[in-house]
Amino acid sequence: GNSVTQMEGPVTLSEEAFLTINCTYTATGYPSLFWYVQYPGEGLQLLLKATKADDKGSNKGFEATYRKETTSFHLEKGSVQVSDSAVYFCALSDQGGANNLFFGTGTRLTVIP
Amino acid sequence: DVKVTQSSRYLVKRTGEKVFLECVQDMDHENMFWYRQDPGLGLRLIYFSYDVKMKEKGDIPEGYSVSREKKERFSLILESASTNQTSMYLCASSLWQDGYTFGSGTRLTVV
Repeated sequence: GNSVTQMEGPVTLSEEAFLTINCTYTATGYPSLFWYVQYPGEGLQLLLKATKADDKGSNKGFEATYRKETTSFHLEKGSVQVSDSAVYFCALSDQGGANNLFFGTGTRLTVIP
Repeated sequence: DVKVTQSSRYLVKRTGEKVFLECVQDMDHENMFWYRQDPGLGLRLIYFSYDVKMKEKGDIPEGYSVSREKKERFSLILESASTNQTSMYLCASSLWQDGYTFGSGTRLTVV
């Protein structure tokens, strides 16, 4: 079946620190992979995505590379800001059917000045 | 930009009330979804719909129903609200084999 496992939080970092949030997946086919971000009191927003192996998604200084050999899609940012404080969700799409997005449980990031 | 609009940001309802949560999307997406989000439990799918008048149960449909009379509108109904339905409710829509677009959420408190 399809599933996503992501790093348990919460994660607390100082401003300008390097961020990694781990995400691994299990899928039966060739999924697309996503990172969503949820700012306090808001819904989820698509942060970045990658649709095939070795693709790199990037947005707002965040990056993630689709690694088929390790079934991973880790989120990274070189220098976090207080405004990056949010909950981050890794997700995969199994390319079939309407209900095709599987979410991880989310990782809460807090960045302190 | 695709917009998914949820009619209320905050709602407070009494136990036993019938509650309607409305969601409207403006990009002609076929698929629409209702999730609830609770601390420590992540996102849990309640119901989804892949076409007008079509609905499918998600992981936790008990105590909820849905209605999709028009393509752009997907309503979540709590027939008789209970305190354990206090939660953040998120609506989303998607095209086939694409990522989801979420609304801003409705925080429902049942007292």
